[in-house]
Amino acid sequence: DAKTTQPNSMESNEEEPVHLPCNHSTISGTDYIHWYRQLPSQGPEYVIHGLTSNVNNRMASLAIAEDRKSSTLILHRATLRDAAVYYCILSKGGSEKLVFGKGTKLTVNP
Amino acid sequence: ETGVTQSPTHLIKTRGQQVTLRCSSQSGHNTVSWYQQALGQGPQFIFQYYREEENGRGNFPPRFSGLQFPNYSSELNVNALELDDSALYLCASSLPRQGANYGYTFGSGTRLTVV
Repeated sequence: DAKTTQPNSMESNEEEPVHLPCNHSTISGTDYIHWYRQLPSQGPEYVIHGLTSNVNNRMASLAIAEDRKSSTLILHRATLRDAAVYYCILSKGGSEKLVFGKGTKLTVNP
Repeated sequence: ETGVTQSPTHLIKTRGQQVTLRCSSQSGHNTVSWYQQALGQGPQFIFQYYREEENGRGNFPPRFSGLQFPNYSSELNVNALELDDSALYLCASSLPRQGANYGYTFGSGTRLTVV
């Protein structure tokens, strides 16, 4: 299973942008980059995914490095509800299992 | 569109007992995966069911078993419970061959405590 490296924790202030980094230097050409987040007492929630190009959706943006060895999840204006553990996961697609690391715990200060 | 529903939300069992956890998948999703999440760790893949057959298994012993029913709901059974089985058990549903591309939908989990 391809591995990802994320900081254990990050802090942000409410209404400011947040950039959550992820390193995946052993990514293969067929690996998709997925981001999930887990709010306290909840199951993980899909945030966004991408292959090569940057992606935007209503929740966040995903910026993928040109060599694909790293990516950044961008929350454009953090809210208190965005406080969660964020997981960066590589997957080859299909019905392949998700391999979770420990993720990044994001704290949002009011 | 309904999400993934898991029951019960919490339960306490004694070491050596057996437990059954239940999951109703999101409407239209016919693939169900189960994960175990120990405190402070990320979820770990247990197994996946598609069309009522096991379709992939993680590094868990045979005392962890499952079922999927024609309505796509699923059960996770754990026999001979051990203290280390205490964890949050998560169910995730997806459309076939799309889960890892288009996102799994997770339930809120069942918190199992083994004493």
